[in-house]
Formats: sequence, C-alpha cells, structure tokens
Amino acid sequence: NAGVTQTPKFQVLKTGQSMTLQCAQDMNHNSMYWYRQDPGMGLRLIYYSASEGTTDKGEVPNGYNVSRLNKREFSLRLESAAPSQTSVYFCASSVPPGGGFSGANVLTFGAGSRLTVL
Amino acid sequence: GESVGLHLPTLSVQEGDNSIINCAYSNSASDYFIWYKQESGKGPQFIIDIRSNMDKRQGQRVTVLLNKTVKHLSLQIAATQPGDSAVYFCAENRPGTASKLTFGTGTRLQVTL
Repeated sequence: NAGVTQTPKFQVLKTGQSMTLQCAQDMNHNSMYWYRQDPGMGLRLIYYSASEGTTDKGEVPNGYNVSRLNKREFSLRLESAAPSQTSVYFCASSVPPGGGFSGANVLTFGAGSRLTVL
Repeated sequence: GESVGLHLPTLSVQEGDNSIINCAYSNSASDYFIWYKQESGKGPQFIIDIRSNMDKRQGQRVTVLLNKTVKHLSLQIAATQPGDSAVYFCAENRPGTASKLTFGTGTRLQVTL
C-alpha cells in the first residue's frame, strides 16, 4: 500500500518552461489536493478536487492548472514557470468530510516534489 | 530533503522530558483541528485531531488541548524521544470551506540527548 505517490521528487526548470507534477493515491479517497510549502508560510492550498471530474481553486491558484484524470490521479501543471513558483509541492488525499469523527478531513500527504525555477 | 523553513520557532527539549507545542488559530468559527508532524524529507503525517466541542483529546504519548476562549491549541508530547524531532503544524478547518484546511507556519522540535 503506497499511499500517495508524487513524481518527480526534484525538478529544475528555466523561467518560461512548462511541466506537470503527477500524483496518484491508492486509498480510494474521493478528495485530492495540491499544496505548496514555502519557508515561513506554512502549507498553502493551490487547487483541490472533491471528486473525480471536479476541481476548485484554493488560496494560491494563479499560474497553475490541474486535472483530475480519474479517481486515483490528480496532476498539477505549470504552463510557464516563474521563479516565484520555486517551492516544495505536496499532493494529498482524504475521505470526504463528515461520516464520523476520526476520519473527517484527515489528509494523507505524499513525500513532496522540490521545484526550482531559475 | 526539502527545506521546511529557515526561520521557524524552535523548541529544544531533552530526551525524556515532556514537550508542549503551541498554536494560535485565527477563526473563532473553526470547528475542527489537526496536528501534523513533518520529518525532514517527508510529507506531513497526521498525529491527532480534535473537534471544537471538546477541550482535550489523548492519543498514544500525545495530548491535544483546545482553548476556544483564547483561540489556542497545544500539543503535549510525553517522554519526548529523538524520533519526535520534526516540524509540527497545527491546522484548522473553517466551516463552509469543504475540507480545505488552513495550516499554521509550524514549530521545530529538537530533542537533545
């Protein structure tokens, strides 16, 4: 049981290049998320998908696009990378909120993808 | 591993002592809170959660306390071990935000031998 798997783990881009971060989960979770983590800023939500076929903007969506390919996979695309997008990116998944105390809103995170834009 | 933060508040605790990590949350309407642990090079891992209708919840070696009057959350770790060294984040769930947690900036816990 791998949980949440992200690829690549490291990537260096030049300004203006594009790339896609891939994420897959094998826990049959409905909801998936993309966060970025910057020093002193905590984790900030970029986009999320409540279920297959739906996506919604988070706190910092500008410069990103997402695709919920199927229930397992949720990708994050940078169309034209900028130095401000240098960060560590985390994918996460969760069961839907409600339905019991211990499971609600608990996110399972991947190991992260470090992106540097020069 | 990734750099979690160069200017995080740091708590140094001797092995075997108890640790208390504090968190102030911002929204009085938040109804659910979670503590996560992040080790170097890894993603955050769930530790314990608590709903706003509770003041205290205990897990294995960990206790979360919630004071809604002053919007304060704390994580207590009993008999701190070297493996507890990590960055700890609190997160709050705000009603109407559909699972979108808001995370704090984190506290680094260093366990000294």
